[in-house]
Amino acid sequence: ETGVTQTPRHLVMGMTNKKSLKCEQHLGHNAMYWYKQSAKKPLELMFVYSLEERVENNSVPSRFSPECPNSSHLFLHLHTLQPEDSALYLCASSQEKREFNEQYFGPGTRLTVT
Amino acid sequence: GQNIDQPTEMTATEGAIVQINCTYQTSGFNGLFWYQQHAGEAPTFLSYNVLDGLEEKGRFSSFLSRSKGYSYLLLKELQMKDSASYLCAVFYGGSQGNLIFGKGTKLSVKP
Repeated sequence: ETGVTQTPRHLVMGMTNKKSLKCEQHLGHNAMYWYKQSAKKPLELMFVYSLEERVENNSVPSRFSPECPNSSHLFLHLHTLQPEDSALYLCASSQEKREFNEQYFGPGTRLTVT
Repeated sequence: GQNIDQPTEMTATEGAIVQINCTYQTSGFNGLFWYQQHAGEAPTFLSYNVLDGLEEKGRFSSFLSRSKGYSYLLLKELQMKDSASYLCAVFYGGSQGNLIFGKGTKLSVKP
C-alpha cells in the first residue's frame, strides 16, 4: 500500500463505548497528525507527533487519547465521547514537523456518536 | 484569535478563470498553504507560500502578500473536476507553532 491509510472508514459508537482509530503511513515520514473536520467548521488540528513524540496538543478533551508506537503508526483512542464529537477524523503525515511541510492526508474515518 | 477568512462558496464557468481569496492575521505568520478537497475525500496539497509574490504550478497559481495578510489561489482554464472545496491554512510560528485552517471555499464549476 502507498500513502496514508486509515481504518475504519466509518464508525458508529455509543457514548459509553471505547474504540480506536488507526492510521498508517507508508511514506517514510517523521511527523504525523490528527485532525477533526466537522460540518461548517474549519479543519482543526488535534495532535502532532514528531519522531514518535507528541509535540502538539491543541486543548483536546481527555476523552481523545493519541498513541504513536512508531513513526509509521498513529492511533486515536476514544472513550465516553459526546454526540458533538461526530465528525470526520483525518490523519496526515509530513516529512518533518517543522513548518508542517507538505502534508499527505488519509481518507479519514467518519465517526458518528449516538 | 487567528482567524482565516475566505468566501464560503463561489461559482464559475468551465474554461474560465477564478480567484479565491484568503485573508489572515499577520502576527506570527510563517507560511500559507492551499489544499484542495473533493467531497468525501481527503485534502490534497496544492501550494505553500512563504515569500511575497506569485507561484505558478500548471493551471493553479498562488499569490501571497505578507504585509497585507492576503493570499489568493488562481485557477485557470477551469474544468468540471475542479469543483471542490479549497482550504487556506496558515502556519503560525512560535515555540511550537500551529496550523490554522479556514472554513474552505466551495467552488462549483458549471458547464
